[in-house]
Amino acid sequence: GENVEQHPSTLSVQEGDSAVIKCTYSDSASNYFPWYKQELGKGPQLIIDIRSNVGEKKDQRIAVTLNKTAKHFSLHITETQPEDSAVYFCAASKAGANNLFFGTGTRLTVIP
Amino acid sequence: DADVTQTPRNRITKTGKRIMLECSQTKGHDRMYWYRQDPGLGLRLIYYSFDVKDINKGEISDGYSVSRQAQAKFSLSLESAIPNQTALYFCATSTGWRNTGELFFGEGSRLTVL
Repeated sequence: GENVEQHPSTLSVQEGDSAVIKCTYSDSASNYFPWYKQELGKGPQLIIDIRSNVGEKKDQRIAVTLNKTAKHFSLHITETQPEDSAVYFCAASKAGANNLFFGTGTRLTVIP
Repeated sequence: DADVTQTPRNRITKTGKRIMLECSQTKGHDRMYWYRQDPGLGLRLIYYSFDVKDINKGEISDGYSVSRQAQAKFSLSLESAIPNQTALYFCATSTGWRNTGELFFGEGSRLTVL
């Protein structure tokens, strides 16, 4: 099955700085790459996703990039704010798949 | 009210006891899932169901069973709980459009097995 690795496991940034979280995947057939944000005491929530026919996608302060050749994708958060503090999970799946394979998570702390 | 509701939110039990975690949803989605979250391991799929008559094992189904009582209800059972089943459990739903589609998670059920 798919193996998704995520780095770093923890990340601290000053408010206003950028944060980058990176993931790699093993199955070249994977074509869907979502990112979920989990706030304390809550379930994960989708914040952005990208499909393999696109190299980059932006939504306000967040962006995701995908390098299919290298089989890695990244989440970029610009102008970080304290409310960005959470655990972020990357995931991967392929067409017709019944499961998302999640990375191990990154705990992001934004220091005011 | 939450779209995906899990009960109980917290449970402490002893080794060997039978435990049921319940999930109900008002999103009208056909697909429901149970995930387990452990520190440093991310989220792993236990079971999933695409409709009332469809139940499938996920990555880590051993020691667990499920029941899809209705489109809106999906319960997870631990027949004889053991300490390494101590974890945070999430129920999720999706429409299943194009891959799994967006997953909508409940707020989690924290289970501690002593």
